[in-house]
Amino acid sequence: AQSVTQPDIHITVSEGASLELRCNYSYGATPYLFWYVQSPGQGLQLLLKYFSGDTLVQGIKGFEAEFKRSQSSFNLRKPSVHWSDAAEYFCAVIYGGSQGNLIFGKGTKLSVKP
Amino acid sequence: KAGVTQTPRYLIKTRGQQVTLSCSPISGHRSVSWYQQTPGQGLQFLFEYFSETQRNKGNFPGRFSGRQFSNSRSEMNVSTLELGDSALYLCASSRNSGRAINEQFFGPGTRLTVL
Repeated sequence: AQSVTQPDIHITVSEGASLELRCNYSYGATPYLFWYVQSPGQGLQLLLKYFSGDTLVQGIKGFEAEFKRSQSSFNLRKPSVHWSDAAEYFCAVIYGGSQGNLIFGKGTKLSVKP
Repeated sequence: KAGVTQTPRYLIKTRGQQVTLSCSPISGHRSVSWYQQTPGQGLQFLFEYFSETQRNKGNFPGRFSGRQFSNSRSEMNVSTLELGDSALYLCASSRNSGRAINEQFFGPGTRLTVL
């Protein structure tokens, strides 16, 4: 079945530390890949997306993600976390072409220690 | 530019009732998609409307329905509510159909509680 896995339910990092959130997709063909962030009481905001080309993509708020075909992964990174980054992060994929539906991972909640 | 607005923000209903949620997309956006977010199942796609036509549908029972008006505003209806329908319902709009190419902008959601 088409799915996307975020292995970490909750991660806590210290402010200023680096961050990596993991995401793995299941289907063979390269899907369209996305990372969204959801702050409490708010909807989702797109951080970045990958369709093809350069496997390292830059997003908003200082985030980047790297697509690794061999590992079926699309991990999100940030070199230095700020307290305002505390939120829930969702990896999402679209399989089967541009008209496909977004399939979301279960999310990773990020807490930031002062 | 105003973002996606959803009304009401909070709703409490009892089992067996029906409910209608409303979504106003960003001006100029013609596609509206609906998602259900629950702690157990996460975020799941319900359906998409584009130019008043349902373009795509997720795996939900027929109790979940929607429509889109000529001004692109959309409503979602759930009939015969069940406890498991308690969720945050998110609406997202985009300029055109096709979720891969057209960035979706999400509203804050409607929190539905079924008692």
